[in-house]
Amino acid sequence: QVQLVQSGAEVKKPGSSVKVSCKASGGTFSSYAMNWVRQAPGQGLEWMGGIIPMFESVNYAQKFQGRVTITADESTSTAYMEVSSLRSEDTAVYYCARSQWELPWGMDVWGQGTTVTVSS
Amino acid sequence: DIVMTQSPLSLPVTPGEPASISCRSSQSLLHSNGDSYLDWYLQKPGQSPQLLIYLASNRASGVPDRFSGSGSGTNFTLNISRVEAEDVGVYYCMQALESLFTFGGGTKVEIK
Repeated sequence: QVQLVQSGAEVKKPGSSVKVSCKASGGTFSSYAMNWVRQAPGQGLEWMGGIIPMFESVNYAQKFQGRVTITADESTSTAYMEVSSLRSEDTAVYYCARSQWELPWGMDVWGQGTTVTVSS
Repeated sequence: DIVMTQSPLSLPVTPGEPASISCRSSQSLLHSNGDSYLDWYLQKPGQSPQLLIYLASNRASGVPDRFSGSGSGTNFTLNISRVEAEDVGVYYCMQALESLFTFGGGTKVEIK
């Protein structure tokens, strides 16, 4: 049974950075893509970007290009998502979600979510 | 970017009755292989989203057969044949044709 376990909640000051981790267990990490999706309070889902660890290939939604960095460490089966220059609008729950990079079979496993609060 | 538009925004339903959600894309999601790259997700209250349907009409593992997806190109529908109380939540469509995925705004399903 594949599981994605994310790091705990964070409270950050405006202008700082946050790095969220997502550790995969029970599956072959490198065979999949890892996506990051965020949800602001009371709002819908927003795809931020994704990485294929096997190829170190990363895509970002245009909105997040330049301020978000997605990385992966195959040795620990962990993906990371870092947001810099935080502002209040970045307050949200951040999810990681696995998908197959070769086959368009959807994001079938999700992490539990990490709440990031940006407040002065 | 491909824009995804869902309707209705809110859908009150009666248990045992059918329900239907529409999703439209600003561009065709039809791949050259003949598949439409459209997923459906359900986010139950207080939970992470879960995959229901991929490639427009394929149920994900463990999804009850009362859920079905249809459509191709730019128009898609998620149908629930007989709504159950556990089906409440927000339903999202998502295009997966381009490597930059985009979600619809969501449809909130609640029991009347």
